[in-house]
Amino acid sequence: GENVEQHPSTLSVQEGDSAVIKCTYSDSASNYFPWYKQELGKGPQLIIDIRSNVGEKKDQRIAVTLNKTAKHFSLHITETQPEDSAVYFCAADSTFTGGGNKLTFGTGTQLKVEL
Amino acid sequence: DTAVSQTPKYLVTQMGNDKSIKCEQNLGHDTMYWYKQDSKKFLKIMFSYNNKELIINETVPNRFSPKSPDKAHLNLHINSLELGDSAVYFCASSRPGQINTEAFFGQGTRLTVV
Repeated sequence: GENVEQHPSTLSVQEGDSAVIKCTYSDSASNYFPWYKQELGKGPQLIIDIRSNVGEKKDQRIAVTLNKTAKHFSLHITETQPEDSAVYFCAADSTFTGGGNKLTFGTGTQLKVEL
Repeated sequence: DTAVSQTPKYLVTQMGNDKSIKCEQNLGHDTMYWYKQDSKKFLKIMFSYNNKELIINETVPNRFSPKSPDKAHLNLHINSLELGDSAVYFCASSRPGQINTEAFFGQGTRLTVV
């Protein structure tokens, strides 16, 4: 089955700096890679996703890059703000019949943005 | 409007008891899921239902029994609770008839077994 590794497990940056989180996956059949943000006491919320036919996607301060050959993808947050502090999860969607997603999550990155 | 709602938010119970967690989504999605998040924040899929039919069962002990009375509801019943069942359980749903689409998560149910 799919295995997703995520680094680093904790990341502390100064407000205004950039943050980068990296993930690798094992199943070459995976073709959808979402990133979720989880704030304390809440459920994960999608912040950006990328499909395998695209190498990069950007949404304001957030960007994701995908290298299918190397099986890795990364989240980039620029101009970080205190409200960006949360746990971030990458995930890979392994294909299966029957409809829906089978998301395999990375182990999470606790991002702390310091003033 | 809450898209995916779970009840209860917190559940404290003794070992050996049976408990249920309820989930409802108002997004018109066909597919619903249960995920378990352990104390180290690791998120793992447990079950997936598509239009009331079980399609994923990730080697979860048979003490866990999901039930989907209709495609807007997916409940989780747990028999003979054990200490190791303590975790946060998340319900989620995704769009009908499509793969590779956003999964929406509920707020979670923190289960503590004492």
